[in-house]
Amino acid sequence: DSGVTQTPKHLITATGQRVTLRCSPRSGDLSVYWYQQSLDQGLQFLIQYYNGEERAKGNILERFSAQQFPDLHSELNLSSLELGDSALYFCASIRPGLFKQYFGPGTRLTVT
Amino acid sequence: AQSVSQHNHHVILSEAASLELGCNYSYGGTVNLFWYVQYPGQHLQLLLKYFSGDPLVKGIKGFEAEFIKSKFSFNLRKPSVQWSDTAEYFCAVKGDYKLSFGAGTTVTVRA
Repeated sequence: DSGVTQTPKHLITATGQRVTLRCSPRSGDLSVYWYQQSLDQGLQFLIQYYNGEERAKGNILERFSAQQFPDLHSELNLSSLELGDSALYFCASIRPGLFKQYFGPGTRLTVT
Repeated sequence: AQSVSQHNHHVILSEAASLELGCNYSYGGTVNLFWYVQYPGQHLQLLLKYFSGDPLVKGIKGFEAEFIKSKFSFNLRKPSVQWSDTAEYFCAVKGDYKLSFGAGTTVTVRA
């Protein structure tokens, strides 16, 4: 158990819909990273937050957005969903001054 | 259940030394295998991946990995490391529906 939690574990929804994925970092970790793993590709970095502020942005679509709240949990919002958005979505957290990311178990999103 | 084990927690090397990081997995079916690198303060980047075919996979920055199916292993190697290889290295395994990460290995290269 990495200490990073993600909900829900599985999500099935229809095209055009909007979903919210939630991530709670390990206690004391200020940074949250979001990644997408689709089909047979490697992880794609989406976005990073540090203590409530956006720190870095990767290959995140305009239909996607994220935020980090004062209690440091983060939400990834996916809207106008398309079939190609079906993927595993991971978050990871890291403590200031330390090296290693700790991964949550992921949310499996299926868009039908 | 699917799982990934990285044998080394922290590896300290001198520049020009060779590096080998162990990764073993448990899963009964077909897997996709990945090695990722995380430089300090950055997000994960893909070093290399194995889906099928030649079990010796070459990646970026001079890294390679060998898939040995009989040993359920996918060890990462680099013949001569540089100071800039100081980073965290993660092995990951993707089964049918799940992606699992190893705990990571911290590699420190001393100049």
